[in-house]
Amino acid sequence: QIQLVQSGTEVKKPGASVKVSCKASGYTFTSYGISWVRQAPGQGLEWMGWISAYNGNTNYAQKLQGRVTMTTDTSTSAAHMELRSLRSDDTAVYYCARDRDNQWDIWGQGTTVTVSS
Amino acid sequence: DIQMTQSPSSLSASVRDRVTITCRASQSISSYLNWYQQKPGKAPRLLIYAASSLQSGVPSRFSGSGSGTDFTLTISSLQPEDFATYYCQQSYTTPPTFGQGTKLEIK
Repeated sequence: QIQLVQSGTEVKKPGASVKVSCKASGYTFTSYGISWVRQAPGQGLEWMGWISAYNGNTNYAQKLQGRVTMTTDTSTSAAHMELRSLRSDDTAVYYCARDRDNQWDIWGQGTTVTVSS
Repeated sequence: DIQMTQSPSSLSASVRDRVTITCRASQSISSYLNWYQQKPGKAPRLLIYAASSLQSGVPSRFSGSGSGTDFTLTISSLQPEDFATYYCQQSYTTPPTFGQGTKLEIK
C-alpha cells in the first residue's frame, strides 16, 4: 500500500541540528512532491516547506529560511528534512506528506523532536 | 500570507447529529480549500479537497462546500469515530496556511 514511514524520536540540545527521514513506498516517488508540516505540542499545523521529488526544487517557509534544508534520494525513495540551530520552540511533531498541488493525501506517522537542555 | 479562520473553535455534539464547521479566508482563494481530520497522536487525514471533492475512502457523510472566502464542512450524521479536530487549509498560494482547528467533542 501507499505509505510514508518516518524515522524515530529525536532529543536534541539547543543549537544542535536534527535530520528527519521519510521513506516512501507503493507509488512512483518522482511523480509527487513532499511537504513537511510540523505541530508544536497542543498547537495547530504549520507548513515548513516543499521539495519536488522529480528535480529537487525546493520552497521553504520564510520563517525557516536559512535553517532548513530538504533533500530527496530517488535511489531509496526517501526524503529528508534537516533543521539547524534548534531552539526550544522547534519542539514539535514533524510530518512528511505526499504533496498533490499543496493537498496532502498521504502522511507519515510523525517524528517527535524535543529540544531541551 | 492568507489567514484562515475557523468557527467554532470547539463544538459539542451527539452521535447522529448534523454538524457544520465554517472556514473563512482573508482573501478569495477560489475553490482551493482542503479539510483534514486529526485524531490525538495521529497524523492528519485528508477528507475533502478542492472545497467539495471527497477524498477516496472517506465516508459520504462528509461533504464540503463554498468558494471565494467562505467554506463549510458538514458531517451529516455524526459517528463515534468522527470525534476529532478538523482543520481547513488553503492551497491557493504559497505558503499554504491552516485554520486554527475545530475540536469536535462528544456531548
